[in-house]
Amino acid sequence: EVQLVESGGGLVQPGGSLRLSCAASGFTFSTYSLHWVRQAPGKGLEWVSFISSSSGTIHYADSVQSRFTISRDNAKNSLYLQMNGLRDDDTAVYYCVRAGDGTGLFDSWGQGILVTVSS
Amino acid sequence: EIVLTQSPATLSLSPGERATLSCRASQSVRSYLAWYQQKPGQAPRLLIYDATNRATGIPVRFSGSGSGTDFTLTISSLEPEDFAVYYCQQRSNWPPLTFGGGTKVEIK
Repeated sequence: EVQLVESGGGLVQPGGSLRLSCAASGFTFSTYSLHWVRQAPGKGLEWVSFISSSSGTIHYADSVQSRFTISRDNAKNSLYLQMNGLRDDDTAVYYCVRAGDGTGLFDSWGQGILVTVSS
Repeated sequence: EIVLTQSPATLSLSPGERATLSCRASQSVRSYLAWYQQKPGQAPRLLIYDATNRATGIPVRFSGSGSGTDFTLTISSLEPEDFAVYYCQQRSNWPPLTFGGGTKVEIK
């Protein structure tokens, strides 16, 4: 069974930093691309970032470009999202998501982790 | 950026009725359109990919149709567990990957 478990969320002040982690199990992690997708409270889904299986291709949404950094450690079956310069509108549940087709299909989702940016 | 517009925003139906949800793209996404279901407090779940293909374990009452710019998700006979929010998503032209704003299917 595919499992994706996020951690590292919490309350942070505007301008602060946070690092999210996602621990994966139940599949061959090193062969799958991954995404972060977020959902602000009461709102819809927003794609945040993508990383290919070998980390050779990385993409970001314009809203997080230059502030967020996605990375992975295939030896540890883990995905990360370093978030710097956090703003109020970054408040959301962040999901770690497996790319089912290697690119843009979200076939398995973690349970999500809440990040709250507030003073 | 490809914009996806879902309609209606809310659909009020009774169990056993047929649900028809629409997703329109601002430009052609070919058949690279997926549908997701999200229940309160849960992560989204993949229902349909490439416009017409059911994901693993998805009941046959869920079906998808369309290509280009106009797509439909149909639930042939609503079960109590189907009342949820549904999102469409395109992967034809990215980044960015984009989602529609969602359709809430609520109990009438």
